[in-house]
Amino acid sequence: GQSLEQPSEVTAVEGAIVQINCTYQTSGFYGLSWYQQHDGGAPTFLSYNALDGLEETGRFSSFLSRSDSYGYLLLQELQMKDSASYFCAVIRDDKIIFGKGTRLHILP
Amino acid sequence: EAGVVQSPRYKIIEKKQPVAFWCNPISGHNTLYWYLQNLGQGPELLIRYENEEAVDDSQLPKDRFSAERLKGVDSTLKIQPAELGDSAVYLCASSSSGGEETQYFGPGTRLLVL
Repeated sequence: GQSLEQPSEVTAVEGAIVQINCTYQTSGFYGLSWYQQHDGGAPTFLSYNALDGLEETGRFSSFLSRSDSYGYLLLQELQMKDSASYFCAVIRDDKIIFGKGTRLHILP
Repeated sequence: EAGVVQSPRYKIIEKKQPVAFWCNPISGHNTLYWYLQNLGQGPELLIRYENEEAVDDSQLPKDRFSAERLKGVDSTLKIQPAELGDSAVYLCASSSSGGEETQYFGPGTRLLVL
């Protein structure tokens, strides 16, 4: 199958840490990407994992476990501007398949 | 460096009318994608080009949708005739060849079919 599962909404407090999970069921899996999309804006690439482990880019980190078909995006020191939708996307056989997205709400 | 350019940004048409969207990818990006995004959903691939060749159009509703990338740079996506259910955001993205994990998206065209 090609299903991707991620929570539809997550709420966190400014300054805190939040983790957005993504599980996938797909054959031919190659890697997992994460994108951010603000309301009315275009999706913007955040990170990519092809190998197990943690990739860190500033306040954002992404993790992948191929054996568990699972990954997550970790956002630290949350800022109000991080309020957006976050999509995990599976790279499979030269295709990219996006999840339905997780809407992140940040409370002051 | 200029990003992916799309036009128009907004389009309102009546059902059964034709509509066309234009995309100019990032310079040097051989791969171009057209996506459809409904409200609250992730982008869904319609077609992918490698240079001027459509290498994946399996999700393109070919009875009413068509696309072209004649010179391997700009691309046009057309709907004829449009239906009410076509109302959505149409996103264009580009990447380097083999770099599908890192795509650069344009601002999209918001289509409303009345």
